[in-house]
Amino acid sequence: AQRVTQPEKLLSVFKGAPVELKCNYSYSGSPELFWYVQYSRQRLQLLLRHISRESIKGFTADLNKGETSFHLKKPFAQEEDSAMYYCALRRGSQGNLIFGKGTKLSVKP
Amino acid sequence: GAGVSQSPSNKVTEKGKDVELRCDPISGHTALYWYRQSLGQGLEFLIYFQGNSAPDKSGLPSDRFSAERTGGSVSTLTIQRTQQEDSAVYLCASSYTSGGVHEQFFGPGTRLTVL
Repeated sequence: AQRVTQPEKLLSVFKGAPVELKCNYSYSGSPELFWYVQYSRQRLQLLLRHISRESIKGFTADLNKGETSFHLKKPFAQEEDSAMYYCALRRGSQGNLIFGKGTKLSVKP
Repeated sequence: GAGVSQSPSNKVTEKGKDVELRCDPISGHTALYWYRQSLGQGLEFLIYFQGNSAPDKSGLPSDRFSAERTGGSVSTLTIQRTQQEDSAVYLCASSYTSGGVHEQFFGPGTRLTVL
C-alpha cells in the first residue's frame, strides 16, 4: 500500500537551531516526492520536489531510497518558517498526491 | 495570473442537506483534483480529472460524494445528504506537467460545517 508517514505532529525549535522534519514512505514503484507548506491563513503551496534537487528558503530534502525517507532539513530555523508542513508522494505518472498527516513547525524567538 | 479559486469560502449546512462546492482551476491546466483536509486525518484525496479521461474516483468516501468537470474547466463537488463527519475543508488543485516536472496548485478551500 502507498503511504506517507510523518511521525511528528508538532516540532518546536528555537530560532537559529537546526530543524529536521521526518517523512517516510511506502511505495512499490519509483516515487516522486514533494514537500508542501501551509502558512497561517494561506493556501497550501509547493516548497520543493525531490527531482529538482533544489534548496528553497534554505530548506533541502534528500530522497533516501534505502531508508524510504525524504526528510526536510534546514540548518538555521527562522520564525517565519513556522507553518504546517506536509510530505507528499505522487501516485504514478499522472496521479494524485498522497499526503502525510503533516507536522506543525513552531520556531520560537 | 489568477490562481485556483473556490466558492463558497465557507458553507454551513444542516445534516441531511445537499451541498455543491465549486472550483475554477488555472486556465490551461488539464488535471484537476479534489482533496479533503480534516483534523486528525490530514489531507485525503477524493477524485481526480485528467483531460477527457474518465475520472479517478477511488478516493471518494461514499456514494453520497460525486463530482463533475464541465468543458475541461470548472468542477463541482456535490455531497448529498450531508453528515456531521463531512465537516472539513475541501481543497481543489490543478496541475500541469512540463518536461517531467509536476506541480499542483491549490485553491484556498471551502470550509464546510455540517450542523
